[in-house]
Amino acid sequence: AQTVTQSQPEMSVQEAETVTLSCTYDTSESDYYLFWYKQPPSRQMILVIRQEAYKQQNATENRFSVNFQKAAKSFSLKISDSQLGDAAMYFCAYSRIQGGKLIFGQGTELSVKP
Amino acid sequence: GAVVSQHPSWVICKSGTSVKIECRSLDFQATTMFWYRQFPKQSLMLMATSNEGSKATYEQGVEKDKFLINHASLTLSTLTVTSAHPEDSSFYICSARKDSNQPQHFGDGTRLSIL
Repeated sequence: AQTVTQSQPEMSVQEAETVTLSCTYDTSESDYYLFWYKQPPSRQMILVIRQEAYKQQNATENRFSVNFQKAAKSFSLKISDSQLGDAAMYFCAYSRIQGGKLIFGQGTELSVKP
Repeated sequence: GAVVSQHPSWVICKSGTSVKIECRSLDFQATTMFWYRQFPKQSLMLMATSNEGSKATYEQGVEKDKFLINHASLTLSTLTVTSAHPEDSSFYICSARKDSNQPQHFGDGTRLSIL
């Protein structure tokens, strides 16, 4: 069975600084998707970034980028130039390629200090 | 694009009543919709997967007769919490997906409080 682990329940970053959120996963599949979702206090789930496992190039989306290490089964999220609006719960998630349901990690609560 | 609307956003009702939550994909046809439950400070727990025109697939431990799911069209799925009790109080979130190669798009969630 696939599992996703986020070992950092809470993280804190100074505004304008960079922070990295960790995520590891376990699967026997060779192709799959990995995601980072943001859940602000409003509790809306917002897709931040998606990575396809068969693509070696790390996905980026403006200030958000990932470090995807397939062999190590690691998928960390880097947030550059942190802003107050980045404060939220961040969930790492995995899904199989075909018809896959999302498997979420436990979440990391990020706070941004002004 | 890819907007998912969930209604109501907050509902309070008495113990023993049934509550229906709607999930609509507004600008795309969703072949699959998902229902999650989330407790405070915890992750999302998948309750069931719903495909249009067929019976929902429930996750282990989720009572089918308690949480009725209907996916009657490609744009609408409903979750009915039957005979709700205080322990059913939670945050319920739906998501919708156009096809298996597309990401899930989430509704804004429904806060259910049973008195």
